[in-house]
Amino acid sequence: RKEVEQDPGPFNVPEGATVAFNCTYSNSASQSFFWYRQDCRKEPKLLMSVYSSGNEDGRFTAQLNRASQYISLLIRDSKLSDSATYLCVVPPYSNYQLIWGAGTKLIIKP
Amino acid sequence: DVKVTQSSRYLVKRTGEKVFLECVQDMDHENMFWYRQDPGLGLRLIYFSYDVKMKEKGDIPEGYSVSREKKERFSLILESASTNQTSMYLCASSGARNTIYFGEGSWLTVV
Repeated sequence: RKEVEQDPGPFNVPEGATVAFNCTYSNSASQSFFWYRQDCRKEPKLLMSVYSSGNEDGRFTAQLNRASQYISLLIRDSKLSDSATYLCVVPPYSNYQLIWGAGTKLIIKP
Repeated sequence: DVKVTQSSRYLVKRTGEKVFLECVQDMDHENMFWYRQDPGLGLRLIYFSYDVKMKEKGDIPEGYSVSREKKERFSLILESASTNQTSMYLCASSGARNTIYFGEGSWLTVV
């Protein structure tokens, strides 16, 4: 099992819909998690951090399920501008050992 | 505002050339990273540095070296560029809370 796994997608979703995708991780000792957003040919940018059970920021909700070892990202009322690749990252022990998922591609259609 | 600057955005180099990619951060972060990103392979760590003059190999260090003479600057060096090093290179830095910030990326083509 890979240390961090994401469904590569693409997820094709109509505008206004709700979409969710998961990121599973193998190291049960991981304490903090991050979601990054990456637009085509751009650098990843921090979307949300998850330190305990979850985090919410506007239309975006990130949740952590420690028992099943996954984090999820929920996007409500999706916009065309939400089209991007979403990367999860897990730092198991320290800054140095950041483990990146390969990303989930999301396409929002009008 | 957080800033990681990669001075060279687009480069075309010939096989065998020495290539320098420069990265500067203005956040006083201890940790700096060089990644490369290729389609279907995600982000792969080349080298990282946790302090001035300190460096550690990442997952794919072969063919690369790094230099960190000042806290704010982390350079990636390709001693003899090869076509399989054609890629997007991302510099990043992070501080105490693990949050990592990226530069805009350097697109290198080796011909």
